[in-house]
Amino acid sequence: ELKVEQNPLFLSMQEGKNYTIYCNYSTTSDRLYWYRQDPGKSLESLFVLLSNGAVKQEGRLMASLDTKARLSTLHITAAVHDLSATYFCAVGSGTYKYIFGTGTRLKVLA
Amino acid sequence: DTGVSQDPRHKITKRGQNVTFRCDPISEHNRLYWYRQTLGQGPEFLTYFQNEAQLEKSRLLSDRFSAERPKGSFSTLEIQRTEQGDSAMYLCASSGRTGDSYEQYFGPGTRLTVT
Repeated sequence: ELKVEQNPLFLSMQEGKNYTIYCNYSTTSDRLYWYRQDPGKSLESLFVLLSNGAVKQEGRLMASLDTKARLSTLHITAAVHDLSATYFCAVGSGTYKYIFGTGTRLKVLA
Repeated sequence: DTGVSQDPRHKITKRGQNVTFRCDPISEHNRLYWYRQTLGQGPEFLTYFQNEAQLEKSRLLSDRFSAERPKGSFSTLEIQRTEQGDSAMYLCASSGRTGDSYEQYFGPGTRLTVT
């Protein structure tokens, strides 16, 4: 059974600092997705990673996928307050189902 | 707007009552999914439809839960004899028939509170 773990679960960081969120998964998959969720809101798609070595960047966020290590990272560069949210990775299971990670609650302090 | 819509957005019900939620997917999407998210957790898969066929049900979906997708368009999720443990956000997502990503687009969710 596919299991997805994220760490850290909570992250409090100063504005302007860099940090990385890790997403590990237990069985083979070549589809990984990152979502952002604000309190009380639904999921906003950030990145779709479909192959080993895939790297995507949008603004201060960059995501990568290493299918051999079963690891994805979400790197935050020069954090700003607006990035405060919960970030989820989701791994494709079979041809349709997603298994979500536990989430990383990010708080960026001014 | 052609995004995924859900109705109602909030539902408060008393224990033992039945509730029904509706999801309207993106019109050209043939795949529809239901997830449940409890506070502080990631969404958990409940069930999946391809067109009108329900192809998988999670073991999280007890006999009190039933989902339908008549004619392969909108979907309903019914919970009978609600329990306090059913309190959660119920998320619907849809994805299209083309491409390799199977990227799912999520609706705003229905927040259920059982008192």
